[in-house]
Amino acid sequence: GENVEQHPSTLSVQEGDSAVIKCTYSDSASNYFPWYKQELGKRPQLIIDIRSNVGEKKDQRIAVTLNKTAKHFSLHITETQPEDSAVYFCAAPTRDTGRRALTFGSGTRLQVQP
Amino acid sequence: DGGITQSPKYLFRKEGQNVTLSCEQNLNHDAMYWYRQDPGQGLRLIYYSQIVNDFQKGDIAEGYSVSREKKESFPLTVTSAQKNPTAFYLCASSIAGPNNEQFFGPGTRLTVL
Repeated sequence: GENVEQHPSTLSVQEGDSAVIKCTYSDSASNYFPWYKQELGKRPQLIIDIRSNVGEKKDQRIAVTLNKTAKHFSLHITETQPEDSAVYFCAAPTRDTGRRALTFGSGTRLQVQP
Repeated sequence: DGGITQSPKYLFRKEGQNVTLSCEQNLNHDAMYWYRQDPGQGLRLIYYSQIVNDFQKGDIAEGYSVSREKKESFPLTVTSAQKNPTAFYLCASSIAGPNNEQFFGPGTRLTVL
């Protein structure tokens, strides 16, 4: 099936530093790229998404960049805070579901050290 | 707190038994999804439904079955054919199509004894 690969699997940063998580996808026709955050013991929640007609989107301390040529997109968190500690998942619609459902990456566990 | 609910929160099953997980939403969403979450493997799609009375297999449908008789409900049955059913199961819904925010339920943790 189609792949969405996510790196790194774990990331530890000091409070105030930046964090970057990268995902690559294989379906060149994918046109929607969301990021979900799952805090410990809670359900995943959408934090930001980007569509293929733009290259970057920002929302306060988080941003997502998209490189369609290279087929990768990245989540950037600036000025990290302890409450940013969570597992982050990227996703993209994939060809093998007729692009009617998302394939998720394997997740990145972000730990922000105070 | 409305939205999307799952029950039960914890479920224990003996080997060889079928079990049904409930998922209900009051968001008037057309699309509903079932995912399985295992440590280090992200969210893997089991089944999805874009409209009532229609559903499609996801990446890991073997050993599972679903129904979509009502817009609000999308129950998942874990059958005895599922070889490794112990996992955390998440249901989600969205307005039609994958290019929209998915709202997740709180999940059901299934343990096979």
